[in-house]
Amino acid sequence: GQNIDQPTEMTATEGAIVQINCTYQTSGFNGLFWYQQHAGEAPTFLSYNVLDGLEEKGRFSSFLSRSKGYSYLLLKELQMKDSASYLCAVRPNAGNNRKLIWGLGTSLAVNP
Amino acid sequence: ETGVTQTPRHLVMGMTNKKSLKCEQHLGHNAMYWYKQSAKKPLELMFVYNFKEQTENNSVPSRFSPECPNSSHLFLHLHTLQPEDSALYLCASSGLAGGDTQYFGPGTRLTVL
Repeated sequence: GQNIDQPTEMTATEGAIVQINCTYQTSGFNGLFWYQQHAGEAPTFLSYNVLDGLEEKGRFSSFLSRSKGYSYLLLKELQMKDSASYLCAVRPNAGNNRKLIWGLGTSLAVNP
Repeated sequence: ETGVTQTPRHLVMGMTNKKSLKCEQHLGHNAMYWYKQSAKKPLELMFVYNFKEQTENNSVPSRFSPECPNSSHLFLHLHTLQPEDSALYLCASSGLAGGDTQYFGPGTRLTVL
């Protein structure tokens, strides 16, 4: 089967750094996505990794290791508005098969 | 992000009603998706349309009927739904750039009584 694992919940303090991990077992690999979803809202795209290494985008960075089936999302200088669910998704297939495998999401609470 | 719009934002319907959800994308994408999001479950892909052609039907019950008249518009027709169909229904679109990143609309919160 195809599976994505993320921690269910995490708590961090405003101004701190938090790392949200994602491990995957899929039939193939053609990219990994991170999305942010605030309660009652739609997921918004954060990052895309297809090659190993770290992608930095402002306060958010995403890392990928394909050999380990592992990614993490790093959030720096946490703000209260970063309280949200963070979804990890993998695209197993290339070409016109656009299906993503989704994790359950990690609910992050940022406290003052 | 206003590239993908959905109407209505909220919908309450009885089990015998017929209603439709509408999605429109203004991003020039060629693929559109319907997802169902329920509590404690991963996003469930329902349908995928690629250049107006349906390329994925994820074993969705026939009481959900999609329609894609062109690459910018997507509908989900609802008929004789069950209470367990109550969920957030999300539309997304993607192009070929950026690994085919999907961009989501705000969703329709559906309640079936």
